[in-house]
Amino acid sequence: GQSLEQPSEVTAVEGAIVQINCTYQTSGFYGLSWYQQHDGGAPTFLSYNALDGLEETGRFSSFLSRSDSYGYLLLQELQMKDSASYFCAVRDMGRRALTFGSGTRLQVQP
Amino acid sequence: GAGVSQSPSNKVTEKGKDVELRCDPISGHTALYWYRQRLGQGLEFLIYFQGNSAPDKSGLPSDRFSAERTGESVSTLTIQRTQQEDSAVYLCASSLQGTHNEQFFGPGTRLTVL
Repeated sequence: GQSLEQPSEVTAVEGAIVQINCTYQTSGFYGLSWYQQHDGGAPTFLSYNALDGLEETGRFSSFLSRSDSYGYLLLQELQMKDSASYFCAVRDMGRRALTFGSGTRLQVQP
Repeated sequence: GAGVSQSPSNKVTEKGKDVELRCDPISGHTALYWYRQRLGQGLEFLIYFQGNSAPDKSGLPSDRFSAERTGESVSTLTIQRTQQEDSAVYLCASSLQGTHNEQFFGPGTRLTVL
C-alpha cells in the first residue's frame, strides 16, 4: 500500500511563493498528481509528474524525485483565489484509481 | 461540454435506511471512479469501472456498499443499512481511457446519516 504525507496547513501572503511538500512510501507507482479543492467544491486536476524533474504550468510548478520519495507543488505570485486545499496523489502499479494524501490547506492573506 | 454531474447534492437519511447515489460521467469517458471524503480528510477510493471490464471493488469498505454502471454511462452507488460512520461526501470522477492520473470530479453528494 501507499502512504502520502503532507503538511496540514500553510499560510502565505498575496504575491508570495509557497511550496507544498509531499512525501510518500510506495513500492511502485506511475507518477505524482496534484489536485486543488476549494471549500465545498470538487477536486480539480493541476499537474502530473510521470518523470523526475520540474513541470511548469503557468504560476504552478510541480516537482518529483523518485530517489528521494518526495515531490512538491510550487505556487508563485499567490492570489487570494489560491486559498484552497491541495492534495497529492499517486497511482500504484497495476491499479487505475488514485491514492490521495490528506491534503494541505493553504490560506492566502492580504 | 457538460462536466460530471451527481445527484442528489445532499442526502439526509436515518440510520438503517438504504441510499442510492447517482453519477453521470463526461460523455466519452470510459473510466469512472467513486471516492469517499470525510470532513477534512483526503479522498478514499471505493470502486472503479472501465468499459465492460470487471470493476475494481477493492476499496469498498463493507458488503453494505455496492455500485453498478450501465455500459459507459450512468453509475449508481448504493449503501444499504446506513451507519453514522457513512456520513461523508461521495465523489464521482471520470477520465479518458489511459489518462487515469487526470480525473474529472463531480460536485459530490453530501450524505448525512442521523
